[in-house]
Amino acid sequence: EIQLVESGGGLVQPGRSLRLSCTASGFAFGDYLMSWFRQAPGKGLEWVGFIRSKAFGGTTEYAASVKGRFSVSRDDSKSIAYLQVNSLKVEDTAVYYCTRDGSGSYGALRALDIWGQGTMVTVSS
Amino acid sequence: DIQMTQSPSAMSASVGDRVTITCRASQGISNYLAWFQQKPGKVPKRLIYAASSLQSGVPSRFSGSGSGTEFTLTISSLQPEDFATYYCLQHNTYPWTFGQGTKVEIK
Repeated sequence: EIQLVESGGGLVQPGRSLRLSCTASGFAFGDYLMSWFRQAPGKGLEWVGFIRSKAFGGTTEYAASVKGRFSVSRDDSKSIAYLQVNSLKVEDTAVYYCTRDGSGSYGALRALDIWGQGTMVTVSS
Repeated sequence: DIQMTQSPSAMSASVGDRVTITCRASQGISNYLAWFQQKPGKVPKRLIYAASSLQSGVPSRFSGSGSGTEFTLTISSLQPEDFATYYCLQHNTYPWTFGQGTKVEIK
């Protein structure tokens, strides 16, 4: 079964850090760009950032709202993508989702088709 | 950044109604446009990819059209399980951007 499972969320004080994990199974993880999205309570969806596959340079891109504070990385040997979230702010409170995008290798059919169940990050003092 | 203007932001409709939701991109995005359905407390579900391709397993009453800057999601005959919030997403150019969402409620 193709699956993404996020973990690592929790309650954290402003200014602190967390590392979120997205563990993949059932597909060739290394072929996919891995992306993070978030959704604040009662709000819409927001793209956070992504990391390209090694075949496409393994480079990263970020939303302006998190650039310099958040960092996406990957361990293809473990099929895990990470989202390091530093200097957390109250407004970072959200459910964080990871998704896969295989459009570079497989076309649009496998772009953003699989989402994890999400992990909740609550930033509060 | 590419702005995605989605309309309407909310609507009331009855079972059996034809529903149309529109997303307009501030610049051309080719067909790098996906539509998602989200129910309260649930994970977003992809309905349409590449602007007009139906996700496997999604009922054929859902359809997408458009290219460039104008895109449409149509539900041909609204069913009770379709009451949800719908989002468009452009993934042609980063930062990837969503429309504001359309909440479809029961009339």
